[in-house]
Amino acid sequence: AAGVIQSPRHLIKEKRETATLKCYPIPRHDTVYWYQQGPGQDPQFLISFYEKMQSDKGSIPDRFSAQQFSDYHSELNMSSLELGDSALYFCASSPPGTSTDTQYFGPGTRLTVL
Amino acid sequence: AQSVTQPDIHITVSEGASLELRCNYSYGATPYLFWYVQSPGQGLQLLLKYFSGDTLVQGIKGFEAEFKRSQSSFNLRKPSVHWSDAAEYFCAVGLGLTGGGNKLTFGTGTQLKVEL
Repeated sequence: AAGVIQSPRHLIKEKRETATLKCYPIPRHDTVYWYQQGPGQDPQFLISFYEKMQSDKGSIPDRFSAQQFSDYHSELNMSSLELGDSALYFCASSPPGTSTDTQYFGPGTRLTVL
Repeated sequence: AQSVTQPDIHITVSEGASLELRCNYSYGATPYLFWYVQSPGQGLQLLLKYFSGDTLVQGIKGFEAEFKRSQSSFNLRKPSVHWSDAAEYFCAVGLGLTGGGNKLTFGTGTQLKVEL
């Protein structure tokens, strides 16, 4: 079965650089979520999109922005990177027609900021 | 706001022994509850979920969980643990509000070690 695809899988950036993370949801899923997981931490919700509109927002820094495109893929844009942004970034998707929040996670993008 | 507590940070069991991982939640209404498993450096795999109905839910890999409203708990169990079950386990709660896109709130996780 198709799963959530994230690219790149690994990314190394310098401080103050920008990064773009991409997420391709499971086919026919219309909702996308982004989470950040620091070392030894639980995943923290950043932002979600439902039918290409922002649906919920968590503790996402102002330096970060995200959007969902017409084909339902999503991109997380991160600017002025800081050392503390080093983390595993997960994208998840959920199917339409339900409010049950069953989220299927991708493998994650490991971002290292030097 | 909803919250999830996983009281056990680390648990070690012998292969073949039974397992119970604890999860307590705080939420005013009936939450949607999930258990995920994460192997090192990997994504989160959904083990099972509870929305309503039968309070004992079956999941993949031989796991089950029981929702107990009176105790605000959703403990994960497995009758016989395999060495490949060693991983980190996260309990999560969702609000199930209409419109979709609702976040999951995760517990801090329980690291399971399996002794051969």
